[in-house]
Amino acid sequence: DGGITQSPKYLFRKEGQNVTLSCEQNLNHDAMYWYRQDPGQGLRLIYYSQIVNDFQKGDIAEGYSVSREKKESFPLTVTSAQKNPTAFYLCASSKPLGQGRNQPQHFGDGTRLSIL
Amino acid sequence: RKEVEQDPGPFNVPEGATVAFNCTYSNSASQSFFWYRQDCRKEPKLLMSVYSSGNEDGRFTAQLNRASQYISLLIRDSKLSDSATYLCVVNGDTPLVFGKGTRLSVIA
Repeated sequence: DGGITQSPKYLFRKEGQNVTLSCEQNLNHDAMYWYRQDPGQGLRLIYYSQIVNDFQKGDIAEGYSVSREKKESFPLTVTSAQKNPTAFYLCASSKPLGQGRNQPQHFGDGTRLSIL
Repeated sequence: RKEVEQDPGPFNVPEGATVAFNCTYSNSASQSFFWYRQDCRKEPKLLMSVYSSGNEDGRFTAQLNRASQYISLLIRDSKLSDSATYLCVVNGDTPLVFGKGTRLSVIA
């Protein structure tokens, strides 16, 4: 079955440590996204990528980095510069973004990151 | 003005009730509109797209009012399983802007 796989489901980070969250999709989607959700809050866009080897910052990119070396994969690194990383991280993908019209996004089941 | 605004609720309704949610958006150039459902501690899942002419999927009806810049979701004959947070989603300057959601609790 096609879908989006995020791993790990739970992740613990020590102070000063970088951690990488994995996101893989086999939907053949061109666009991929990373969101952060805090308790009782909406989704906030961290980074997105419309094509391999290209990505754009979202609303809260500081303290995060991404790469898009393969169409299927869009890993997110939470760096030590992100001072409040505890949150629910969601990866999504969609068909290509159009001119003024966007396709719906499909989500993985998320990674919960906590600080030790 | 926030890009997408929703009443956070919670809406507590009895089984069988009809409930409606509204969502306003600020970008008059938006062309794509969706409703997502998110269960507690789960990922959002697409419930339905919203088309200009309005559309229906079983007990769910979505409508778009471009003049007033809002979309609505109507749920008829509410089930216990409809309890969730409903997210209004609109395309903006960046890909898809998500509202904070409206929480619905259907009570037996």
